[in-house]
Formats: sequence, C-alpha cells, structure tokens
Amino acid sequence: DTAVSQTPKYLVTQMGNDKSIKCEQNLGHDTMYWYKQDSKKFLKIMFSYNNKELIINETVPNRFSPKSPDKAHLNLHINSLELGDSAVYFCASSQVPGTYNSPLHFGNGTRLTVT
Amino acid sequence: GENVEQHPSTLSVQEGDSAVIKCTYSDSASNYFPWYKQELGKGPQLIIDIRSNVGEKKDQRIAVTLNKTAKHFSLHITETQPEDSAVYFCALGGFQKLVFGTGTRLLVSP
Repeated sequence: DTAVSQTPKYLVTQMGNDKSIKCEQNLGHDTMYWYKQDSKKFLKIMFSYNNKELIINETVPNRFSPKSPDKAHLNLHINSLELGDSAVYFCASSQVPGTYNSPLHFGNGTRLTVT
Repeated sequence: GENVEQHPSTLSVQEGDSAVIKCTYSDSASNYFPWYKQELGKGPQLIIDIRSNVGEKKDQRIAVTLNKTAKHFSLHITETQPEDSAVYFCALGGFQKLVFGTGTRLLVSP
C-alpha cells in the first residue's frame, strides 16, 4: 500500500553505463518530482512534472532524462553514468501543481553508487 | 532565488529535553513553511507545516513558530524521545517548488 514507490532501492553500476529508476504513486496526485540527496544530505530538486508535462527542469546535465508515461509514473533515465552521480534519488508527488502550498510525499529513495 | 539557512547542523539532547531548530530565509514572497523528518533509509516525511497567516501551530509534542518580519521559523520538539532521532529539514514554499534547508541531525540519548 506504499503511496510513492520507487525501484530499485539500491543500484550499483560502473561508470559509463546507462540506468533507469522507476517511480509510481497511488495517491492520485497530478504532480511528481525527482530530488537528489548528496552525501551531506542536501536535498535538491531536479525535475517536476504536472500531468505528464515537464514544468521544472533545474540545472541538470542532459545525461538525465525524465519520462512520465502517465500522471502516476515518473521514471528517470541516466546515460553515461559518472562517479559524481552517486547519491540517493528521491521521487515525490504532491496534490497540486508546484509545492507552494502543498505537502510532498516522498518515496524511500534509490541509492545509486557509481564505481 | 530562494535561499534557506538551517541551524544547528547537529543537535544532541537527553531524553525529555526540548529541541529547537531554526531556519532563516530571504524570499519575502514565501508563504508555506513545512518541516520534514527523515529516518535512516527512508524518504523525508512531513511532520508539521505552517502558512504565513498563522504565527504558531502545535501538534502534540511538536510546534512550529513563524516570524515573517524577521524571516525565520523554528521547529520545537518537547519531551524528546529516542525515536525522535532523525534528520530534520525545514523547507520554503516557493514558485512551483519546495526549497529545503541543509538539515539538522537530532540525536536523543536515553
């Protein structure tokens, strides 16, 4: 009954590989996000989608490409992985476009380790 | 853009003591101030939030106070328990996104 679920929980891969992380929410929310948390615990937004439309794209390398097949799913594909991509990636959702006034519901994260 | 500073970065208290975490911000247009708790291996979870038309909000042992003039807001936890040990984040409701503080690691010793 997990509200926001993401897979896999752990991902260990070598530099140069391409990998994907999947996210699904069953809350009926219209907006979904990807956040990156580095080793110092800083949480930074990467992307935001509202009803399958990209509405926020922070300064993220082109190697990162989000895809939203429907409003309940938001996937993240990463090409040519680099050591600096190692982090925990969190998917989140909220009820209304943007988070100006609306709580975020987070998944439990995907710990990506690039060797 | 929005900027939010959070202090302290770590906080150790004895069980039963109170804990206070403070965040200051610069964007006067912000109107939504949530607090999140992140336990080990999990995603951040909303514990309390406040909007700018309210100066204080309380939910059992936790409370948030907001001073819009001085641009700071604080999380207060009373009668701390070991299960309160976690990383706490303040956040600022800006245009289309939340901006998070740098986090406070709270350790409550029995």
